Amino acid sequence: SQQGEEDPQALSIQEGENATMNCSYKTSINNLQWYRQNSGRGLVHLILIRSNEREKHSGRLRVTLDTSKKSSSLLITASRAADTASYFCATDANSGGSNYKLTFGKGTLLTVNP
Amino acid sequence: DSGVTQTPKHLITATGQRVTLRCSPRSGDLSVYWYQQSLDQGLQFLIQYYNGEERAKGNILERFSAQQFPDLHSELNLSSLELGDSALYFCASSVPRLTGSSYNEQFFGPGTRLTVL
Repeated sequence: SQQGEEDPQALSIQEGENATMNCSYKTSINNLQWYRQNSGRGLVHLILIRSNEREKHSGRLRVTLDTSKKSSSLLITASRAADTASYFCATDANSGGSNYKLTFGKGTLLTVNP
Repeated sequence: DSGVTQTPKHLITATGQRVTLRCSPRSGDLSVYWYQQSLDQGLQFLIQYYNGEERAKGNILERFSAQQFPDLHSELNLSSLELGDSALYFCASSVPRLTGSSYNEQFFGPGTRLTVL
């Protein structure tokens, strides 16, 4: 079963606008990550936020984490047509050791129109 | 380029057949993960190997098996293929050998697109 569930499933915006995607999860986590996937290609890691962090920035990306609500959001500011992709959240709920399994949500398809 | 390579890129085969997908992790990474991505199921974790040993199992069918070799490359074997096995199969790697970090960013290969006819 999916640990993370992204919302919305699809988002269409104009270039220059901000895009916000949300992710909810069910169990306690060590960290939450966001990945991007261009159509039919491999996933690319964007940003990781640890369970004791509330907000993190990387370039035009801003991620928030609310562990009390078991939710995270990814904000992409000043979007560009090249940001068009699917975005996935992934949770790490491992108990340690060498088990690093991630559980991915179903993703949000972002379309940025020029 | 993530540094993870997968072969072949595309594979077309018939039901009942067996195929082997190959993955070479980033240099120095100890962990290899296999994922299946389909339209209806999304991205499903199949199995993880760490330094040659199985570490975690997900939604992997009994018809599927995997192994990681001493040089750390991995193979995913899919047998008695069914139409529903058609999907993108991704390999990812993480955990550099030298640092043994618990930081779990995964680096994904370009995937193998399997079509079962």
